Amino acid sequence: AIQLTQSPSSLSASVGDRVSITCRASQGISSALAWYQQKAGQAPKLLIYDASNLESGVPSRFSGSGSGTDFTLTISSLQPEDFATYYCQQFDSYPLTFGGGTKVEIK
Amino acid sequence: QVQLEESGPGLVKPSGTLSLTCAVSGGSITSSNWWTWIRQPPGKGLEWIGETFHSGNTNYNPSLQSRVSISVDRSKNQFSLNLSSVTAADTAVYYCARIPVRSCSGVTCYLFDNWGRGALVTVSS
Repeated sequence: AIQLTQSPSSLSASVGDRVSITCRASQGISSALAWYQQKAGQAPKLLIYDASNLESGVPSRFSGSGSGTDFTLTISSLQPEDFATYYCQQFDSYPLTFGGGTKVEIK
Repeated sequence: QVQLEESGPGLVKPSGTLSLTCAVSGGSITSSNWWTWIRQPPGKGLEWIGETFHSGNTNYNPSLQSRVSISVDRSKNQFSLNLSSVTAADTAVYYCARIPVRSCSGVTCYLFDNWGRGALVTVSS
């Protein structure tokens, strides 16, 4: 199975900060990567698909980049509603797998 | 807008079988989507369990394959999860989700665009 390693596992940031989260795959997955946001007590929400495509309705401050083994989710200006846990997920091959998550907390 | 809702017992005894159903509303389960189950142990990350198509085709996570079964009931517009021989390690929030019909760089996007709210299942005697 393809392993996804996210870093950092947690971070503290302030409203307005630029935040980047990385996801590294154990083997090349082309651009077959998605990013999700999960708030406490809620189901995950799809943000980015195909590594860099913004899901409909998701604010443009979210962006994704990368291909192969290294990927990045960037929030250009952190808003209060963005404090959550973020997960990457690969769909290059079965079994579908997720990264371990990155918790974004208020500084 | 398609909505999904999980239902089933919140408590299962060790060695028993966990059974959950996901009701699909606002759309047909016989559409071109795949339908999937994902779980999340308390305070931990996400694990894909498996998926089904309305034809009955399935794919499972090898880590659970010997214990899991996912089926579709087209007449009730729902799909179900059965997980046998459960232990405390199977305690989790179980989500059902939809895999959309869209292309990602020329291949099917096996990601999850629509989720249920989740159902907590505790394995305990």
